[in-house]
Amino acid sequence: EPEVTQTPSHQVTQMGQEVILRCVPISNHLYFYWYRQILGQKVEFLVSFYNNEISEKSEIFDDQFSVERPDGSNFTLKIRSTKLEDSAMYFCASSTRVPSGGYTFGSGTRLTVV
Amino acid sequence: DQQVKQNSPSLSVQEGRISILNCDYTNSMFDYFLWYKKYPAEGPTFLISISSIKDKNEDGRFTVFLNKSAKHLSLHIVPSQPGDSAVYFCAAKGAGSYQLTFGKGTKLSVIP
Repeated sequence: EPEVTQTPSHQVTQMGQEVILRCVPISNHLYFYWYRQILGQKVEFLVSFYNNEISEKSEIFDDQFSVERPDGSNFTLKIRSTKLEDSAMYFCASSTRVPSGGYTFGSGTRLTVV
Repeated sequence: DQQVKQNSPSLSVQEGRISILNCDYTNSMFDYFLWYKKYPAEGPTFLISISSIKDKNEDGRFTVFLNKSAKHLSLHIVPSQPGDSAVYFCAAKGAGSYQLTFGKGTKLSVIP
């Protein structure tokens, strides 16, 4: 069964550093998303991406964050100047169409900011 | 902001019996509802969805019921199996939006 692949599975970074989280969505999917889950809290929407541009973003997705699809297969989330509160599981997801088929999520990247 | 609420943090059910997971929502503009299952160290796995214009959708052992007037939906798993033990998330999507709003999840334990 096709998978969404995320790398790395765990990233530790120092506060103030930049991190890039990587995702390879399912090849025939057109919509891409980032979500995050802070420990003990809900899964929260960050951003959706379609046709090489952001289609929707949440209040969490401020200027510290950016997304990119640099080469037609990877989908990246960049976090500039990380803060302690950015520590969370970050999930990438993709879909063919919204919403009845659901989104396919990756296994996540655990980001720890120290 | 608790537009999607799962009020039971945990549920224990005997193997072979029915598991009923509940979800309430407040936003009338949600047009699709989805259930996800999540194991530790894995991403959420899509289980089943339902459009707001329907009141029931069934897929194998999983059935989702939607009561729009009560703004309530439930996931029924029959019969429950030990492999169903996981955290179950209810999620909702607004009309014209790509964003899913998740509940906090219910941890289901199916006891052999």
